[in-house]
Amino acid sequence: GAGVSQSPSNKVTEKGKDVELRCDPISGHTALYWYRQSLGQGLEFLIYFQGNSAPDKSGLPSDRFSAERTGGSVSTLTIQRTQQEDSAVYLCASSPGSGDTQYFGPGTRLTVL
Amino acid sequence: QKEVEQDPGPLSVPEGAIVSLNCTYSNSAFQYFMWYRQYSRKGPELLMYTYSSGNKEDGRFTAQVDKSSKYISLFIRDSQPSDSATYLCAVMDTGRRALTFGSGTRLQVQP
Repeated sequence: GAGVSQSPSNKVTEKGKDVELRCDPISGHTALYWYRQSLGQGLEFLIYFQGNSAPDKSGLPSDRFSAERTGGSVSTLTIQRTQQEDSAVYLCASSPGSGDTQYFGPGTRLTVL
Repeated sequence: QKEVEQDPGPLSVPEGAIVSLNCTYSNSAFQYFMWYRQYSRKGPELLMYTYSSGNKEDGRFTAQVDKSSKYISLFIRDSQPSDSATYLCAVMDTGRRALTFGSGTRLQVQP
């Protein structure tokens, strides 16, 4: 079956612009995660959605970052007023339920000029 | 100190060698242990998932967990050039559900 998909695969933006990154999880998976992978920091957790529960936002680095998940499926990660330090690969993962194996998408490579 | 420490490598071995990859962690609340493989410009792919101390084997891969030492290992037997990738260890506690990753070890298997 189809895996986790993310779009766009690459995004180049100018400092100060807003960007939206999209994640389509595996059908039927109730849990969805966003991570960020950068050279200096490795792979870091950002935010977690489980069903209709309030999301766990404990990993978001600043209030410029937000995410939503509509209809329990597609998720969008929004970064406002992008900074050069936001340059990284943003990875989405989904799992059948909380605590289950997480399956990752290919990521969106964000470059902030 | 990071919660999960992993030697970044790079590690270069000849084809057919046994590879040992290791991580240490600091928080005894971590109860689930995973190894992911990541090829260049791809997302991480799960290799092994273990819960308890001991060994788990899957083909050429063996995952080992020692909770008393807070030490996790991945062994690759008969390594192949196609095993060349970055290997990430990951841990999870029962409360949080998000994964905490090591920094990754880059492995190069020379034909």
